[in-house]
Amino acid sequence: GQNIDQPTEMTATEGAIVQINCTYQTSGFNGLFWYQQHAGEAPTFLSYNVLDGLEEKGRFSSFLSRSKGYSYLLLKELQMKDSASYLCASEGQNFVFGPGTRLSVLP
Amino acid sequence: DTGVSQDPRHKITKRGQNVTFRCDPISEHNRLYWYRQTLGQGPEFLTYFQNEAQLEKSRLLSDRFSAERPKGSFSTLEIQRTEQGDSAMYLCASTLGGSSDYEQYFGPGTRLTVT
Repeated sequence: GQNIDQPTEMTATEGAIVQINCTYQTSGFNGLFWYQQHAGEAPTFLSYNVLDGLEEKGRFSSFLSRSKGYSYLLLKELQMKDSASYLCASEGQNFVFGPGTRLSVLP
Repeated sequence: DTGVSQDPRHKITKRGQNVTFRCDPISEHNRLYWYRQTLGQGPEFLTYFQNEAQLEKSRLLSDRFSAERPKGSFSTLEIQRTEQGDSAMYLCASTLGGSSDYEQYFGPGTRLTVT
């Protein structure tokens, strides 16, 4: 089976750093995705981790620990436009999205 | 605009009617996915195609749902005898499908309202 868990909501201040955690239980795990979804829009790809460790891409970084079934998305120098839902998704026997974490960035 | 298009963007139908949605993926993409998303939830996987072959189908997909990709290009998702619980955003995504190309490009979605 497959199960993904992430916090429902988070709030942070403009310019700050925020870490969004994701835990997963996935049969035949291949990799872990993070997507960003603004309200009323389709998800857009942020990152894909296959190996353990941290992958950095500009202000966004993603970490994976396969042995712990754990990932996080790190957002630095937060901007107002980063207010969105952040979806963790695992690729295994199927492709499964988590419920999403709604991030609100306050001025 | 990701290059994936869906039609229609909005559909309002009465309970019991049949509806069909279309997805046009990026032309060279081999894999095509259908998802359903309700408010405040992540997308739920429904089915996916590798070219014209339907390789996986979620248990969420009841017998009232059927999907096709007859020529390995565009795809259609049909819902028969719609129910109010079918109201959701239906998302289509495509990817090249190779081991080095994993990013799914999502279309804008079709929002279905069943009254």
